[in-house]
Amino acid sequence: RKEVEQDPGPFNVPEGATVAFNCTYSNSASQSFFWYRQDCRKEPKLLMSVYSSGNEDGRFTAQLNRASQYISLLIRDSKLSDSATYLCVVPNQAGTALIFGKGTTLSVSS
Amino acid sequence: NAGVTQTPKFRILKIGQSMTLQCTQDMNHNYMYWYRQDPGMGLKLIYYSVGAGITDKGEVPNGYNVSRSTTEDFPLRLLSAAPSQTSVYFCASSPPDRFAYEQYFGPGTRLTVT
Repeated sequence: RKEVEQDPGPFNVPEGATVAFNCTYSNSASQSFFWYRQDCRKEPKLLMSVYSSGNEDGRFTAQLNRASQYISLLIRDSKLSDSATYLCVVPNQAGTALIFGKGTTLSVSS
Repeated sequence: NAGVTQTPKFRILKIGQSMTLQCTQDMNHNYMYWYRQDPGMGLKLIYYSVGAGITDKGEVPNGYNVSRSTTEDFPLRLLSAAPSQTSVYFCASSPPDRFAYEQYFGPGTRLTVT
């Protein structure tokens, strides 16, 4: 299994839709997980952190399944402004660096 | 606070040339990082630093060098540019109590080597 693996998409959804992305990871000892958002030709920015079973922030919900070693990001009521690439991020085994997935691209249309 | 700033924004180099990518942060973060991002790929860690005077290699350090003489600055040097180093380079920093976790990124430097 790769360290961090994501479905690259693209996911094309209409405004108002609910969309979910999955991410699998190989380091079973990881205690924390992150979703970063990256707009086209911009720098990544932290969207959500997940330290236990899940986290919710408004329309965004991140869930963790340790047994299956995957995390998911659910976006409800999609907005045009949600169009971006979503990066799944997991610390490496030594805890000294972050491993970034290749990202899942979301395109929300009106 | 300006956050993390990077210069230049764009650069075209000829094969064999050298250059320094500048990175400065004004958040008093101890930890700083350099990544490269190739098209359609995830970010790869080149070098990182846990404080002034301390640097360490990341996943893809070959062809690069770094120094950290101050808390604020973390320049990345390309020793002899190769086409394989065409990429977008991001500098990032993180606070000392959140090592490697909540990283703040600069806007990036887009480098083309021809």
